[in-house]
Amino acid sequence: DSGVTQTPKHLITATGQRVTLRCSPRSGDLSVYWYQQSLDQGLQFLIQYYNGEERAKGNILERFSAQQFPDLHSELNLSSLELGDSALYFCASSVAGTSGTDTQYFGPGTRLTVL
Amino acid sequence: EDQVTQSPEALRLQEGESSSLNCSYTVSGLRGLFWYRQDPGKGPEFLFTLYSAGEEKEKERLKATLTKKESFLHITAPKPEDSATYLCAVQAWATGTASKLTFGTGTRLQVTL
Repeated sequence: DSGVTQTPKHLITATGQRVTLRCSPRSGDLSVYWYQQSLDQGLQFLIQYYNGEERAKGNILERFSAQQFPDLHSELNLSSLELGDSALYFCASSVAGTSGTDTQYFGPGTRLTVL
Repeated sequence: EDQVTQSPEALRLQEGESSSLNCSYTVSGLRGLFWYRQDPGKGPEFLFTLYSAGEEKEKERLKATLTKKESFLHITAPKPEDSATYLCAVQAWATGTASKLTFGTGTRLQVTL
């Protein structure tokens, strides 16, 4: 158990809908990352938040947005869903200091199926 | 742009048959190279971090090594429970606290009796 929690484990929804994925980081970690894993693309970085502020963005679609709350949990919002958004979505957390390496610990993921 | 290439894509070993997985990378200033293990439908599980060329780390039947261009994950006398996908990722030095991981597509390892 990495200490990172994600809910829900599974989501099944229809095209055009909006969903929210939730992540709670490990105790003491200030940074949260979101990754998407699809069969043909591997793990792709979406976005990073550090202590409530956006720190880095990957190839995140405009239909997707995220935020990190004062208690450090994070939510990833996916809207106007398309079939191609079906994937595993992982949250990771780290201390994210400015020196040394920054090991990320991953949650169990949310499997999103868009029908 | 940071890039990670892993080979082979898939590897089938018999129990006790040692082998190595390869991870080639290009990165603008390596902050760390990471190995993760991922079981089907689960989140990646952290195995090792390597910081600089020449470094080696071991854990049970696994040993990770690092050069300036690639990393190897050596598996000695594997058991069926070592079957998983092994992911390699790099982290580059960036401004402030931004520290995303760039992943390879992984090596699917199957160990049979």
